Amino acid sequence: KNEVEQSPQNLTAQEGEFITINCSYSVGISALHWLQQHPGGGIVSLFMLSSGKKKHGRLIATINIQEKHSSLHITASHPRDSAVYICAVNGNYGGATNKLIFGTGTLLAVQP
Amino acid sequence: DTAVSQTPKYLVTQMGNDKSIKCEQNLGHDTMYWYKQDSKKFLKIMFSYNNKELIINETVPNRFSPKSPDKAHLNLHINSLELGDSAVYFCASSQVKEMSNQPQHFGDGTRLSIL
Repeated sequence: KNEVEQSPQNLTAQEGEFITINCSYSVGISALHWLQQHPGGGIVSLFMLSSGKKKHGRLIATINIQEKHSSLHITASHPRDSAVYICAVNGNYGGATNKLIFGTGTLLAVQP
Repeated sequence: DTAVSQTPKYLVTQMGNDKSIKCEQNLGHDTMYWYKQDSKKFLKIMFSYNNKELIINETVPNRFSPKSPDKAHLNLHINSLELGDSAVYFCASSQVKEMSNQPQHFGDGTRLSIL
């Protein structure tokens, strides 16, 4: 079992819908990241958070440290949001390391 | 300006060959990484260097040898390529402050295909 689990694995939505992607982890962490990867493209960091909630445009990320759970929300979804969304965590390894453990990703398709 | 650039973008080669992938970052970061993304899109860290010093080596076969001539460059050399090496390899960098995580910046990836 992977230390970082995401759900759903695949998600199809209609344009304008509110979308939620979930991430659960089983290790102690110092930070959690949400990444976006477009088809055939590179990887972009959307959020890094260790507590509470962050918002950027139509994207909102929340984390509950006690429950070891994070959610990524997309409001008013658009076809250009179609991508793979990846959750990753920095484990509590101490020192100046920055090792990321990745979830398996959620493939989102937003249809017009 | 490209922050993290890796070359080549595509690499097609025969089994048994030796190849290198280059990575450069102009962000002034002191830590660089190599990740492998398999056919199921699962990412896993291979190596991490901090100020040219190896700090993470995730039980990667010793056919893979990273080299960091300076903190802005981290190259990946692969000897005796095997079919299972086919994947997308991502380089990344970040500024690591002690006990403080920072976002990582990724290159566009190198798609390696072994024939």
